Amino acid sequence: AQKVTQAQTEISVVEKEDVTLDCVYETRDTTYYLFWYKQPPSGELVFLIRRNSFDEQNEISGRYSWNFQKSTSSFNFTITASQVVDSAVYFCALREDDSNYQLIWGAGTKLIIKP
Amino acid sequence: GAVVSQHPSWVICKSGTSVKIECRSLDFQATTMFWYRQFPKQSLMLMATSNEGSKATYEQGVEKDKFLINHASLTLSTLTVTSAHPEDSSFYICSADWQGQETQYFGPGTRLLVL
Repeated sequence: AQKVTQAQTEISVVEKEDVTLDCVYETRDTTYYLFWYKQPPSGELVFLIRRNSFDEQNEISGRYSWNFQKSTSSFNFTITASQVVDSAVYFCALREDDSNYQLIWGAGTKLIIKP
Repeated sequence: GAVVSQHPSWVICKSGTSVKIECRSLDFQATTMFWYRQFPKQSLMLMATSNEGSKATYEQGVEKDKFLINHASLTLSTLTVTSAHPEDSSFYICSADWQGQETQYFGPGTRLLVL
């Protein structure tokens, strides 16, 4: 069974629109970490955020914000006032406590921002 | 901080030759490093987990004699693709786990083309 689900394969919006990327996870661990990474066309994965399971506070970083809800096992990512440079593939990942530091990856969401 | 370098970024080789890819954590020590392979439009596929000073742990289906991994120091891991064949052509990405931060940071990747 998939442990990290990113149901949106591709999203296309016009610049300046807000966009939310969904991530639903599954784990039996009480201690775990959730991540978002950005992969632009160049291929390098850029770390965006880490959230541990005990911290449900939402986080905002500039135009980026994350909504972590344990009740629905979701860790959604919103980009406000999107820009063309936000175009990339975004991956959500889960690290369980006893995983030898391995990440379980979602399939990724390709975000296209049109000018 | 958290810079991971990977060299070379591009390599084209003839079938039957061996290719070595280096992964270095530049500003932190990494007890654990990871090697991934990514096919076009797909998520990352973990190949192996590399722990400093010990043998790598390979994922099911990954040939350890074909993909040799060495993690000789806390800042360097190498992946050698031995006797490369066209089907080994892919995008190879390394990551280093920064303990304490509980986060993997990624190198820029290596595109391998075997002719």
